Amino acid sequence: KQEVTQIPAALSVPEGENLVLNCSFTDSAIYNLQWFRQDPGKGLTSLLLIQSSQREQTSGRLNASLDKSSGRSTLYIAASQPGDSATYLCAALGGYNKLIFGAGTRLAVHP
Amino acid sequence: GAVVSQHPSWVICKSGTSVKIECRSLDFQATTMFWYRQFPKQSLMLMATSNEGSKATYEQGVEKDKFLINHASLTLSTLTVTSAHPEDSSFYICSARDPAIQAQYFGPGTRLTVL
Repeated sequence: KQEVTQIPAALSVPEGENLVLNCSFTDSAIYNLQWFRQDPGKGLTSLLLIQSSQREQTSGRLNASLDKSSGRSTLYIAASQPGDSATYLCAALGGYNKLIFGAGTRLAVHP
Repeated sequence: GAVVSQHPSWVICKSGTSVKIECRSLDFQATTMFWYRQFPKQSLMLMATSNEGSKATYEQGVEKDKFLINHASLTLSTLTVTSAHPEDSSFYICSARDPAIQAQYFGPGTRLTVL
C-alpha cells in the first residue's frame, strides 16, 4: 500500500530564502508525481507534474525532482515571496488509478 | 494548467434536503473524474471515482446511496448529497484526470453547510 510522507509539516521563513520541501513514497512503482498548492478555503492548483521517466520539471521559481529508486521527490522554491504562503501537497499516482496524497507542508513566508 | 470548474462554490441548506454539485472539465475530455472531501486542516479524502458512462466506484466507508455520483458526459460529473445532515457539512472538491498525460486537475471546491 502506497504511503506518501511530507517533511516538514510546517515551515516559516523570511522573504527571499530558497526552500526545499520533501516528499517520500513507499512504493516506487508510480506513473507520475504531482505537486500542488492549496490556499485556505480553495481547491488545489497543480504546480508541476513529473512523469516516472523524468528526473525533474521546472516552472518559474519552482523546480521539482524525482528519484524513483529512493522514493523521493523534492520541491525547490527559489527566492520565496509572501505570496508563496500556502499548503504544498505532493501526490503519487500508482496502481489502483488513485492519487495518494501526503499530509502537506504549510509554508509561511513573512516579509 | 487545465481548468476544472465547480458549481456552486458554496451552499447552505436545511437538514433533510438534497444538494447537487457540478464539476466540469473545461480544457479536455475526462474519462475519469474524482470526488474528494476535506475536513479543516486535513488532507483530501477520496470519496469516489467516477468513470464516464459507468457506475462510480466508492471508497470504503462512503455511502453510495447518500452520495450519488453521475458522470453523464466526458466533461461533466455531478455529486448529489441526499438527505443532507449537519455532519455532511464539509468542503467537497472534484478532480478530472487528463488521459493524455495522466495529470489530475482540481476544481475550486464547494463549501457545504447543512443547518
